[in-house]
Amino acid sequence: DAGITQSPRHKVTETGTPVTLRCHQTENHRYMYWYRQDPGHGLRLIHYSYGVKDTDKGEVSDGYSVSRSKTEDFLLTLESATSSQTSVYFCAISESMVAPSYGYTFGSGTRLTVV
Amino acid sequence: GQQVMQIPQYQHVQEGEDFTTYCNSSTTLSNIQWYKQRPGGHPVFLIQLVKSGEVKKQKRLTFQFGEAKKNSSLHITATQTTDVGTYFCAGNAGGTSYGKLTFGQGTILTVHP
Repeated sequence: DAGITQSPRHKVTETGTPVTLRCHQTENHRYMYWYRQDPGHGLRLIHYSYGVKDTDKGEVSDGYSVSRSKTEDFLLTLESATSSQTSVYFCAISESMVAPSYGYTFGSGTRLTVV
Repeated sequence: GQQVMQIPQYQHVQEGEDFTTYCNSSTTLSNIQWYKQRPGGHPVFLIQLVKSGEVKKQKRLTFQFGEAKKNSSLHITATQTTDVGTYFCAGNAGGTSYGKLTFGQGTILTVHP
């Protein structure tokens, strides 16, 4: 969707290396989320942000960290990539957390392969 | 923590047949959302249900929210090849979890022409 972009779109990295994925939005939405998608597991929340420098853990946060220094950017870092982190990563934004009646808007995803 | 189970995992239908996917939550939900993901694409928001027993329609798609606000369903009438994709439900538990969606595993729909 226009207004949210993820980079890179594809990445292959070696086990043990740090990796940073970027999510950039132009919608000025307060809430941003990182999900990973794996077959049979749907979408699982890694971390989310409810404002600049305000972040919290999701259900699968181990091995991941995030930062949000500006409203428009939400970075996901794999400190030391492992093969179990091979996945498709989606960023999502939401205008409101109280009543997200318009749903989340998702980015196009980053396909990460850890070899 | 909250769990959202979705069945079936896969559904193959002939074009023109109906399709239904079911979603069940381990806890009472504040609201539930439905998303569609085309092959190779990203999830796209379809609809949100908030009220107990709510039924909403979008053309051939009918969405229901259970009376106890713990289950939901999506029914597609007379499927078309354009309906192919994965359908996800996503529950919002409310309270301190408000705004954080828990997704079901998704139902992958294949439509044979």
